[in-house]
This record gives sequence, structure tokens and C-alpha cells, in this order.
Amino acid sequence: AGVTQSPTHLIKTRGQQVTLSCSPISGHRSVSWYQQTPGQGLQFLFEYFSETQRNKGNFPGRFSGRQFSNSRSEMNVSTLELGDSALYLCASSLAEDTQYFGPGTRLTVL
Amino acid sequence: QQQVKQSPQSLIVQKGGISIINCAYENTAFDYFPWYQQFPGKGPALLIAIRPDVSEKKEGRFTISFNKSAKQFSLHIMDSQPGDSATYFCAASGGQLTFGSGTQLTVLP
Repeated sequence: AGVTQSPTHLIKTRGQQVTLSCSPISGHRSVSWYQQTPGQGLQFLFEYFSETQRNKGNFPGRFSGRQFSNSRSEMNVSTLELGDSALYLCASSLAEDTQYFGPGTRLTVL
Repeated sequence: QQQVKQSPQSLIVQKGGISIINCAYENTAFDYFPWYQQFPGKGPALLIAIRPDVSEKKEGRFTISFNKSAKQFSLHIMDSQPGDSATYFCAASGGQLTFGSGTQLTVLP
């Protein structure tokens, strides 16, 4: 099975918070998160490896994540803004470079 | 700032033609260059990748050409098919992936 993400779609209002979930490919210990928007393209949010954040992109502290001992990962966005509307993609990897993406979670902030 | 510049933004090719997408990077620390294909409503899928010690890599109809001195690499899709119509992203990695802005390819039947 590939990378799975839930939920598929989500609608929230400004000021709310949201949690997205990602299950990596079995055996993959690295999970990365990306934000995809028409204007900014694919932007790296953060990477987790063995429950530790290994890299972080240039996003405000409202964006956070965590990884569990089974490598599953969640990302949280607090105090949602309209500009947070995007496709949030999770990718897992076994080797350091080759990343496999999930189908994404489409977040709409009203 | 680490950047990967991709062109063209959109490309229309006739069935059977060659599609060429170009990327340029700035950071010489990048050591892994993948291409991803993304269909609407789907996540990006790894298509083909190359490391800088190789100048060309071919997998089926897809070829990456890599020019280390010019810091450029390109994707060639031979015998383009309507099913190849998708958005293509180049990327470069020196630990984390930096993506190009994407090319929307349309292959006309």
C-alpha cells in the first residue's frame, strides 16, 4: 500500500485549527509534509524521522507536526487563515532522497 | 535562497511528438534531481531521477539530461501520448526537496 492521508477534504473557518493525518509506506521512517497552492507551488513544511523533526521549512509557528512510534504523522495548523487553503501533501521515504507522495488533503478555509 | 527554476509554464505537443521541460538550479550542494508527474486530484508521483555523476538517464520514453557545469537539467518525453497530459515538476535535493514551479503538459490526440 502507498502513502495514505486523511481526511481527503476538509472545510474550516478562519480562526479554527485543523489536524491532518498521514500513514507512510510500511517500513518508511521519514515523513515530510508539503503545501501546494496555485500561487506558491509545492513548498516544504517539515520532515520527521524517528519521531524527531529533522528539517523545517519557512512557515509560521502555526504549522506544527509530530510523528508517532509507528511512523504515522500528523500536522496541525492553528488559527487558520484564508491563505492556508491548499492541498497538503505527505511524502514518505526509505532512502534519504526518494520520496513517495500521498493523494493529499484538500483544506478550504472560509 | 535555494531555487529551482522551471520552464515552460505550459506546453502543448501533438501526439507522437517530443516534450521537453527544462530546469535550472543555483545551489551546487544539490545532489539528487527527481522529476514528478501529477494528475489532477492526485499527489505527485516519482517519474525518474538522476544524480550529478551521470549526464543522462533513460527509462522507457522518459529521459533526463543533466548538465552539471551549466547547473541545468531537462526532461524529454519521447513519443508523447495523450495519457502523458499532466503537470510535471522538477526538484532538487540536498537533504530536502526544492521543487520547480511546474509545467502543465497537454498532448493533443
